[in-house]
Amino acid sequence: GAVVSQHPSWVICKSGTSVKIECRSLDFQATTMFWYRQFPKQSLMLMATSNEGSKATYEQGVEKDKFLINHASLTLSTLTVTSAHPEDSSFYICSASNPTEGDNSPLHFGNGTRLTVT
Amino acid sequence: AQKVTQAQTEISVVEKEDVTLDCVYETRDTTYYLFWYKQPPSGELVFLIRRNSFDEQNEISGRYSWNFQKSTSSFNFTITASQVVDSAVYFCALSRGSGNTPLVFGKGTRLSVIA
Repeated sequence: GAVVSQHPSWVICKSGTSVKIECRSLDFQATTMFWYRQFPKQSLMLMATSNEGSKATYEQGVEKDKFLINHASLTLSTLTVTSAHPEDSSFYICSASNPTEGDNSPLHFGNGTRLTVT
Repeated sequence: AQKVTQAQTEISVVEKEDVTLDCVYETRDTTYYLFWYKQPPSGELVFLIRRNSFDEQNEISGRYSWNFQKSTSSFNFTITASQVVDSAVYFCALSRGSGNTPLVFGKGTRLSVIA
């Protein structure tokens, strides 16, 4: 079945640096991918919708200049956390659906990236 | 606006007990999809079930069963004869319809099954 691969699984970075997280659809093309963030013991909250070939759509309260999203191909979306701060430490997870599975296709999730900013 | 409420924050049961996780949703859409996901300590989301708004049939899959009641906007999840491996956070979620729409998640229920 469809698989969404996310890399890296975890990353530790110093405050002020930038971190890039990749989300790949391995056996299907995804024109749309979604990025979620999950703080410890919290629910998953949608951050942004990544659209291939166009600008991402950000949810209210998410800084687009801080969380840069690039969806340059039909199988890859990247989320870059710029000038990371400790409060950005969180679990980031992406998802995509396979359009060939039709409107009933479920969202496939990556395994997530645990970011720790020291 | 869409909303999913999982009123049970944490549940503890002894192994072999049955446990029901509640999920109540709000939506103005006539077509929508409901989901349950399991999130073990490792963090990944494990897909359990998807149900569309026109299909109110209950479903059973092994020890898992789901009760969809449109009249009460509920989509409850029951684990029969719980096992320690069932310990995880379970999320109920709602989407508008097509696969290109994001999910709205409930806050999750942390289930601990004690041996």
